[in-house]
Amino acid sequence: GAGVSQSPSNKVTEKGKDVELRCDPISGHTALYWYRQSLGQGLEFLIYFQGNSAPDKSGLPSDRFSAERTGGSVSTLTIQRTQQEDSAVYLCASSLRTDRYTFGSGTRLTVV
Amino acid sequence: ILNVEQSPQSLHVQEGDSTNFTCSFPSSNFYALHWYRWETAKSPEALFVMTLNGDEKKKGRISATLNTKEGYSYLYIKGSQPEDSATYLCAFRGTASKLTFGTGTRLQVTL
Repeated sequence: GAGVSQSPSNKVTEKGKDVELRCDPISGHTALYWYRQSLGQGLEFLIYFQGNSAPDKSGLPSDRFSAERTGGSVSTLTIQRTQQEDSAVYLCASSLRTDRYTFGSGTRLTVV
Repeated sequence: ILNVEQSPQSLHVQEGDSTNFTCSFPSSNFYALHWYRWETAKSPEALFVMTLNGDEKKKGRISATLNTKEGYSYLYIKGSQPEDSATYLCAFRGTASKLTFGTGTRLQVTL
């Protein structure tokens, strides 16, 4: 596609429920990144996919967080048993190798 | 843990003023320094990717400089306009492929 597409744009969920956030990167971009911005904080790295290499999961805050990238394209970030501290804007970005990122418009997650 | 710091945290200027912000980053294992502009309710937008010490980049009224030896970059905006109001983020790339972002400088330009 022309840009990075994320869905849903907004998600309100109850504490303890699982959520899935989707990212559709720019076609041909080999690298895909997930970041999040909690209230008053900077952009926090979560996970990075590059081609067929094993993902860099070093930023995932707990084992409730997981992500996959199917067929080198679409990625899904899953948060199990959501907690209130998971409330944030989750941003996905893609790039050609390590060039500048193109970001999606984000998913605003609110855990109530 | 990589330390990428930006200052000031926020800035309020009048239309027509020129302004600048600072990004400091580790001076070792440097690969690239990115600048992004993030307007409210939009996606962060890439401004510059800088890789060489002494590099200067320009895009319209916005320019940036890079000093990799001392670990800092400046972003300048000449003749600020209300549409420049946004959060300006810098991001450091070292030997790892991911970017480490600063917390940003929030700029507000008023008439």
